[in-house]
Amino acid sequence: DQQVKQNSPSLSVQEGRISILNCDYTNSMFDYFLWYKKYPAEGPTFLISISSIKDKNEDGRFTVFLNKSAKHLSLHIVPSQPGDSAVYFCAASGTDSWGKLQFGAGTQVVVTP
Amino acid sequence: GEEVAQTPKHLVRGEGQKAKLYCAPIKGHSYVFWYQQVLKNEFKFLISFQNENVFDETGMPKERFSAKCLPNSPCSLEIQATKLEDSAVYFCASSAIAAGYNEQFFGPGTRLTVL
Repeated sequence: DQQVKQNSPSLSVQEGRISILNCDYTNSMFDYFLWYKKYPAEGPTFLISISSIKDKNEDGRFTVFLNKSAKHLSLHIVPSQPGDSAVYFCAASGTDSWGKLQFGAGTQVVVTP
Repeated sequence: GEEVAQTPKHLVRGEGQKAKLYCAPIKGHSYVFWYQQVLKNEFKFLISFQNENVFDETGMPKERFSAKCLPNSPCSLEIQATKLEDSAVYFCASSAIAAGYNEQFFGPGTRLTVL
């Protein structure tokens, strides 16, 4: 069963605007969440993470928000740049699955001029 | 090294042949993870190691898949008697610790095509 869901397969955003990517999860044992960015023919690159004891983490243009009661997290990228065009994966791990990342299906982001 | 290295980049095998993939984790990282990505879908966890010991193998199809991490050697993932459905990109990742608040760093992947 898919415990991490990214329901938007694609997102198109104008350069300079905000990109908002969403992720939902079902496993209440998840306590650590990560976002990865992936270009074609490359491995995923770590972007930002958040633990369940926080509700927000910020790193430069990237901010991740966690709503534990809704089992929902989001990634905000502002301002969006052409180099941000990639597939973004949400991933989670928990106390019942140490080290085993569960990934969502990814969201393809296209940043247009 | 500073990055996770995976070889080969591409591997083509006929159905029923053996396939062996290699991974060199980042120097100093004790944990190695293998994931399978089929047709750009989500990643499926296969197995993890703490140094040379299996840490979690709950994702491994036991019949045909095996993996090792031996001292002073790259880690390996071997598929005996490959099937068409094994066609995928296999990613290796490493981290300094297995769990808690620590990210996994991924290699570029090995694309396996079974004909």
